[in-house]
Amino acid sequence: EVQLVESGGGLVQPGSPLKLSCAASGFTFSSNWLNWIRQAPGKGLEWVASINPDGSSTYYPDTVKGRFVVSKDNAKNTGYLQMNNLRSEDTAMYYCARTGANWDLDYWGQGVMVTVSS
Amino acid sequence: DVQMTQSPSNLAASPGESVSINCKASKSISKYLAWYQQKPGKANKLLIYSGSTLQSGTPSRFSGSGSGTDFTLTIRNLEPEDFGLYYCQQHNEYPPLTFGSGTKLEIK
Repeated sequence: EVQLVESGGGLVQPGSPLKLSCAASGFTFSSNWLNWIRQAPGKGLEWVASINPDGSSTYYPDTVKGRFVVSKDNAKNTGYLQMNNLRSEDTAMYYCARTGANWDLDYWGQGVMVTVSS
Repeated sequence: DVQMTQSPSNLAASPGESVSINCKASKSISKYLAWYQQKPGKANKLLIYSGSTLQSGTPSRFSGSGSGTDFTLTIRNLEPEDFGLYYCQQHNEYPPLTFGSGTKLEIK
């Protein structure tokens, strides 16, 4: 059974860093793209980062480029999202999701909450 | 980047009824449109990809149609477990991943 489990969320002050993890199981982690998507309270889904299977290419929207870094450790079956210089507008539930064979997002984790507040 | 416009934002229906949710892309995405269901406390679920292909495990009362810029998700004979949030997402250009703004389906 494919599973993705996020961890590492919490309450942090503006300007602080935070690192999220996404533990994967039930599939060959090194074969899939991994994505991070967030959802601010009461809002829709927003793409945050993507990384290719071997970790050699990463992609971000302008809203987080230069502040967020996505990575994956295929030996540990774990993906990461390092978030730096956090802002109040980064407050959201953060999901990791696997890219499926049809370039959709075929499996998602249940999410981890990040709150940025002083 | 492709922008996705989803409508309506809210929808109320009774069990047994049929509903449709629309998604419009700012430019042609061929057939590459996915639909997701979101429910509290559960992982988001892929329902349909490539416009009309049901993901394994998606009940047959769900159907997707459309191509180019205009797409529709139809749910026939609504069941109580179908109520929740629905999002469309284009998977023609990757990345960026772009989503519709969501539709909340509520019980009338």
